[in-house]
Amino acid sequence: DAKTTQPPSMDCAEGRAANLPCNHSTISGNEYVYWYRQIHSQGPQYIIHGLKNNETNEMASLIITEDRKSSTLILPHATLRDTAVYYCIVAFSGGYNKLIFGAGTRLAVHP
Amino acid sequence: GAGVSQSPSNKVTEKGKDVELRCDPISGHTALYWYRQSLGQGLEFLIYFQGNSAPDKSGLPSDRFSAERTGGSVSTLTIQRTQQEDSAVYLCASRDRGSSEAFFGQGTRLTVV
Repeated sequence: DAKTTQPPSMDCAEGRAANLPCNHSTISGNEYVYWYRQIHSQGPQYIIHGLKNNETNEMASLIITEDRKSSTLILPHATLRDTAVYYCIVAFSGGYNKLIFGAGTRLAVHP
Repeated sequence: GAGVSQSPSNKVTEKGKDVELRCDPISGHTALYWYRQSLGQGLEFLIYFQGNSAPDKSGLPSDRFSAERTGGSVSTLTIQRTQQEDSAVYLCASRDRGSSEAFFGQGTRLTVV
């Protein structure tokens, strides 16, 4: 079973920041937080991952709380092409990296 | 370079028939995953291969489902005696051991009639 909880849906205006929350209260010390997204009719796409420090790449930023029980994915300037289902996953890194997807958050970016 | 390739892209089969779905992972990737996605639903984990270790089959829904990975490369997911509830998109992904990013194929859409 997925070890994360996400809101089923969110809306965001184009050009504004989209902040997608995720709860993972049972995360263990060696587990990472991963984010993937799935645009309609496509396979999921990796976005970002982190252990305990905040992370940023060209796609997004990941903010993990100090107790690591929750995190937020931030899309700084959402576009219509960011409309997708976003999945937050907790998993080990490296050799054994079993990815269990939950229901995700359906983000709708509107003009 | 080439990504994860799945074939066929679409498959229509009659109830009770066996089907084989193929996944060609990215060359050199040691991890390979199979998922099932029913219409409007999330991804359901099926099986995970990691290198030479025994595969994690904990997500296979019944003994009608099996998967092999030959030579650490190509994988085949076999569904025996297909049922209508097996209709879904079957997704494959692969990952390099040293990487945190899994790459997904475009999936095989299976329709059981």
